[in-house]
Parts: sequence; C-alpha cells; structure tokens
Amino acid sequence: ETGVTQTPRHLVMGMTNKKSLKCEQHLGHNAMYWYKQSAKKPLELMFVYSLEERVENNSVPSRFSPECPNSSHLFLHLHTLQPEDSALYLCASSQGADQPQHFGDGTRLSIL
Amino acid sequence: KQEVTQIPAALSVPEGENLVLNCSFTDSAIYNLQWFRQDPGKGLTSLLLIQSSQREQTSGRLNASLDKSSGRSTLYIAASQPGDSATYLCAVNGVSTDKLIFGTGTRLQVFP
Repeated sequence: ETGVTQTPRHLVMGMTNKKSLKCEQHLGHNAMYWYKQSAKKPLELMFVYSLEERVENNSVPSRFSPECPNSSHLFLHLHTLQPEDSALYLCASSQGADQPQHFGDGTRLSIL
Repeated sequence: KQEVTQIPAALSVPEGENLVLNCSFTDSAIYNLQWFRQDPGKGLTSLLLIQSSQREQTSGRLNASLDKSSGRSTLYIAASQPGDSATYLCAVNGVSTDKLIFGTGTRLQVFP
C-alpha cells in the first residue's frame, strides 16, 4: 500500500479519444502533483495543487486538463493527444512544498 | 535555472560492494534534497530527504550527504544486494522554483 493510488495502470488510446487519469491519496496531504516521465528525460512537473487550488501550471498544452475536486483526489483529463504524449504519468502528494513527496505507481499511457 | 545532474548514468557491480552515487545541482538556494528509488514500471519510492540545514541522513544501509555550498549530494549504499537494483533519482526543491527538479537518474544493477 503506497498511500497514493493511480488508475488505470495502463492506457492505450487514439489521438481523438477522451480519457481521464485518476489519483487518490490516503495520507491526509494537502498538496498533489502531476508529473510526466518520458524515456531518457528527467521527470517533468505538469501541475501542482495546494489545498485544492492550482498553484503551478508548467506551460502544459491545453489538451491536458487537471481537476482537483477535493484534497484526496486528482484527475488528469486527456483529449486530442499526440504520439509524443506517450509516457508514464505519475501522481504525488505531500504535506507541503518542503515536505517529502509520495508517489503512486503511475499510468503508462500509449497514444496510437 | 536549476539543473540537476547525476553521475554515473549507469552502474553495474557485484553484490557486497559499497558504492557511491553522485548528484550535483547548480543553484544552492534549496529547501531540501530528496533521493528516490524507482523500480521498472513503478513509481518513485522516497529513500531519504535532507533539509538544507542538514549535512546527512541515514536509513539502514543508505547514507545521503549534502554539501549545499558546492552543490553536491552523494548517496552511499553499503554492502549492496541484488535487491538494490533500480534507478536512483535525485531531486532538489529550490527556493526560487518551490518545486522538485529531478536529475535523469543512475541505473544500478547489482549482480550475485
């Protein structure tokens, strides 16, 4: 039990599909994050939510749309994705910006 | 702009060896530095977090040091085991960016 659960674990979709990634944390944290991990690249921060308010949008294309309905849940809505969006998408949570981040196992996304 | 570099990119050692993984960063104004482990197809597991005011942290066979003025951290693994095989990531939480900046990792293989 990692404390941070991501679903689905794997997702294959066409470029015209719409899907959503889900993240749930059971740690009582007040900040949640979406990261993208591509091959041979460092993890890239996409979005940060603190107390359910978005505080960081790291110049991510609008085809990625985050949603944080409460402090325990975070979604990433996907539409009209490109092949270069294929990657491992990781969710994390923390008690604050200076506290350790705890990660889920990620969603492996493949765009056909 | 904060940049994080990890050397070596890959390392293969026989079990029982003591080894050192290196991390360097360009901006010394940091809140903390965190070492993670990532197994194939999995998320990140936090190993150690060193606050900017600390010099080192220890957990079992792992010891992480921080020299903020020179922009360096090392992760020391004592008596390595095959179960230590994974990718090790270093991440810096910078004062100016207030977010984690990751290195590209060191891929470690410990063979019996």
